[in-house]
Amino acid sequence: EVQLQESGPGLVKPSQSLSLTCSVTGYSITSNYWGWIRKFPGNKMEWMGYISYSGSTSYNPSLKSRISITRDTSKNQFFLQLNSVTTEDTATYYCARCHDGYYPNWFAYWGQGTLVTVSS
Amino acid sequence: DIVLTQSPALAVSLGQRATISCRASQSVSISRYNLMHWYQQKPGQQPKLLIYRASNLASGIPARFSGSGSGTDFTLTINPVQADDIATYYCQQSRESPPWTFGGGTKLELK
Repeated sequence: EVQLQESGPGLVKPSQSLSLTCSVTGYSITSNYWGWIRKFPGNKMEWMGYISYSGSTSYNPSLKSRISITRDTSKNQFFLQLNSVTTEDTATYYCARCHDGYYPNWFAYWGQGTLVTVSS
Repeated sequence: DIVLTQSPALAVSLGQRATISCRASQSVSISRYNLMHWYQQKPGQQPKLLIYRASNLASGIPARFSGSGSGTDFTLTINPVQADDIATYYCQQSRESPPWTFGGGTKLELK
């Protein structure tokens, strides 16, 4: 069974970069699509982007200048980097895997999530 | 971006029917595919997929959950509501990408 686990710093200072790792077991990241989603205090959820089985990416245009999703296939991990963070980037960050199928539409498997607070 | 609107909360009695709605700012349907999906999230847990493409039950989800709708109006129904169903429910569209967007969530509460 596929399992995803987020890891990374829980506290980031404003203007710095947020970097998270999603470690995947039970399924190869060279198949399917893998994404990042965040949930803000107050419950709003935002799709941040995804990386495909081939390494191509798609990002939320609202984040496009600040976000990068990359991967290390040898470690079966993918990564989120968000630059120039502000307090408004404080959220719980989830990594997830899309459903099986040719074109991604929804997330079938989610990690537990990790809270990242942006504060000086 | 396609905006998805949900009522913030819904109060229901155990054993009764709960109907949670999601309205899109534009159609999320392409031919026979309705690209609206539903998730359940309990406090402290990750979201769980309930329904995909408007009406298809995800693996392992009880049959008391069902989904319907097309175009801009979609509904998640829980019948009968059980205590374990108390959670927040989100709709998500993939008709426009990027970005996929989520509704603001409906918190299901006990009456």
